[in-house]
Amino acid sequence: KNEVEQSPQNLTAQEGEFITINCSYSVGISALHWLQQHPGGGIVSLFMLSSGKKKHGRLIATINIQEKHSSLHITASHPRDSAVYICAVRSGNFNKFYFGSGTKLNVKP
Amino acid sequence: GAGVSQSPSNKVTEKGKDVELRCDPISGHTALYWYRQSLGQGLEFLIYFQGNSAPDKSGLPSDRFSAERTGGSVSTLTIQRTQQEDSAVYLCASSFSPGSNEQYFGPGTRLTVT
Repeated sequence: KNEVEQSPQNLTAQEGEFITINCSYSVGISALHWLQQHPGGGIVSLFMLSSGKKKHGRLIATINIQEKHSSLHITASHPRDSAVYICAVRSGNFNKFYFGSGTKLNVKP
Repeated sequence: GAGVSQSPSNKVTEKGKDVELRCDPISGHTALYWYRQSLGQGLEFLIYFQGNSAPDKSGLPSDRFSAERTGGSVSTLTIQRTQQEDSAVYLCASSFSPGSNEQYFGPGTRLTVT
C-alpha cells in the first residue's frame, strides 16, 4: 500500500478550465508539499501546507488534516501549466518523505 | 544568488564501480535532501541532513549507499559496487530549515550503470 495516493494519474484540459488534483495519505505528517516537475525534469516547490489553505497566483492548495486529504487547484489553466504535479508528505518526526506517483497534466490551447 | 548545484550532470559507469555524486546547496540552507527518480517512476526519498547530521538513514536503498555532509554545506552521495538498478536521476534539494516553506531542487545527476 502506498502511503500517498494521487488522482487522477493523467489529466487533459482545455485552456481556461478549472483543474483539481487530489492527494490522500495514510501516515502521520508534519507537512504536505505540492511539487511541479516540468517536461525537462526540473522540479519546483509550489506549496508547503500543514493546515488550511494557501494561494499563489492561479494556484490554490488546501489540506484537511482530519480527512488526510489535500487538493491542488489551478484556475484559468494555461498550456504552460502542463507538467507533472507531485504530492509529497513529510513524516511527523521530520525524517522522511513519501511521494505520490504524480499527476500528468496537459492543458491544450 | 546561485541555486542548488549538482555534479556531475551525467555519469555513466560500469556495473561494480563506485560513484560519488555531489550536491552544493544554497548558501545558508541548513537542511539538505537527497532523492532518486528512476526512469518513468516517481520520486523516492533517500536521506535528509540537518546540518551535518542525518537523523534517519533507513531511506537509503541498501548498504551500498552512503551519504555525508561536511561543514554544513556540500554533501556527497556515494554508491559502492553499482548495479544496473541504481540507474536513475539523483536529485538534491535544500531549504533554509527543515520546517521552511520551500525546498529548492538542483538539476539532478543522471546516473547510468552499464
